[in-house]
Amino acid sequence: GDSVTQMEGPVTLSEEAFLTINCTYTATGYPSLFWYVQYPGEGLQLLLKATKADDKGSNKGFEATYRKETTSFHLEKGSVQVSDSAVYFCALRIQGAQKLVFGQGTRLTINP
Amino acid sequence: NAGVTQTPKFQVLKTGQSMTLQCAQDMNHEYMSWYRQDPGMGLRLIHYSVGAGITDQGEVPNGYNVSRSTTEDFPLRLLSAAPSQTSVYFCASRQLDEQYFGPGTRLTVT
Repeated sequence: GDSVTQMEGPVTLSEEAFLTINCTYTATGYPSLFWYVQYPGEGLQLLLKATKADDKGSNKGFEATYRKETTSFHLEKGSVQVSDSAVYFCALRIQGAQKLVFGQGTRLTINP
Repeated sequence: NAGVTQTPKFQVLKTGQSMTLQCAQDMNHEYMSWYRQDPGMGLRLIHYSVGAGITDQGEVPNGYNVSRSTTEDFPLRLLSAAPSQTSVYFCASRQLDEQYFGPGTRLTVT
């Protein structure tokens, strides 16, 4: 079946550090890939997406590139801020299907 | 637009009680869904709907019922609550590739 695996958390970094959160997937069809962010006490918000191989999604300084050859969609940011502290979810949806499949989430804490 | 709204924000039930979690969206989205979020398990799909009058099961449907009489509303019913249903519940609606989530309902079953 379809599944998403994220790196285990929690991840703790200092402000201005470089961030990578790994995400790999298995898919029975051709997926669109997503990163969602959940700030404390809130619902999930779409952070970025990519719909085909080699596409790069970007938003708020975060980037992720759809790598079909390695079935990966790693999230990166060059310089994190305290306000980036949240839980990050990688997800996929097979094109033409209805369901969104989530990874288990990675909790990120940024210390000043 | 209010987006996706959920009520209540918090609820405590005793085992065996029933209740309905409310969800509404004002974006005229056809697709709506319910997830539960448990520590270390991400979000798991309970039920979903592709339009008024059409619902289907997700990966963890047992113990939950849904109906979709209008485009706007998609309530989730717990018929006989169990401690295993203690979780945070999120409703979502989707337009094309963008899924919009409500703020969640934190449910505790004692």
